[in-house]
Amino acid sequence: NAGVTQTPKFRVLKTGQSMTLLCAQDMNHEYMYWYRQDPGMGLRLIHYSVGEGTTAKGEVPDGYNVSRLKKQNFLLGLESAAPSQTSVYFCASSGQGRFYNEQFFGPGTRLTVL
Amino acid sequence: GNSVTQMEGPVTLSEEAFLTINCTYTATGYPSLFWYVQYPGEGLQLLLKATKADDKGSNKGFEATYRKETTSFHLEKGSVQVSDSAVYFCALSGTSYGKLTFGQGTILTVHP
Repeated sequence: NAGVTQTPKFRVLKTGQSMTLLCAQDMNHEYMYWYRQDPGMGLRLIHYSVGEGTTAKGEVPDGYNVSRLKKQNFLLGLESAAPSQTSVYFCASSGQGRFYNEQFFGPGTRLTVL
Repeated sequence: GNSVTQMEGPVTLSEEAFLTINCTYTATGYPSLFWYVQYPGEGLQLLLKATKADDKGSNKGFEATYRKETTSFHLEKGSVQVSDSAVYFCALSGTSYGKLTFGQGTILTVHP
């Protein structure tokens, strides 16, 4: 099992450009999440999904959109990147039953917006 | 809303020293509590968890006890190693779809 994978690992954008970050999990998890990590602020939830075809806003959703067309994939889009979106982005997933609430994280994507 | 406060770092220790990283929380209901660890250049890994009051989570020599009366979940290890150098995050999860609320993280550096 690969667990949770993220592509790309690094990206540099210019202000106003767009991009999509891909998250994939092979654990058949229902729930998936996108976080951003900034120095001194821990991780903050951007958007999350509780199942295929569903998405919901987290703590800091502005400037981001998401889609969950397939259960195993969760995409995070930036339509018009801003320097304030320079961050490390982590995807996570969790299942139900015994391991409910236990999130598994991907390795992260480091995004720089110039 | 939910919130988590961790002691500010960074924390620098010598090998074999005792470690405590304080964590307190504010939440409604009965949250689950977690400690995650992030090694340099990697994602977060679950270190330990506790799901109800007075539960003790433990893993790799680390321990934390869910104290509802003091709303705390302090992380401890009796003898740290250089390989424990990492960033440690305290987090809680309420009942809403497993969403996590994180503390700001504490950087731990252990010197030989």
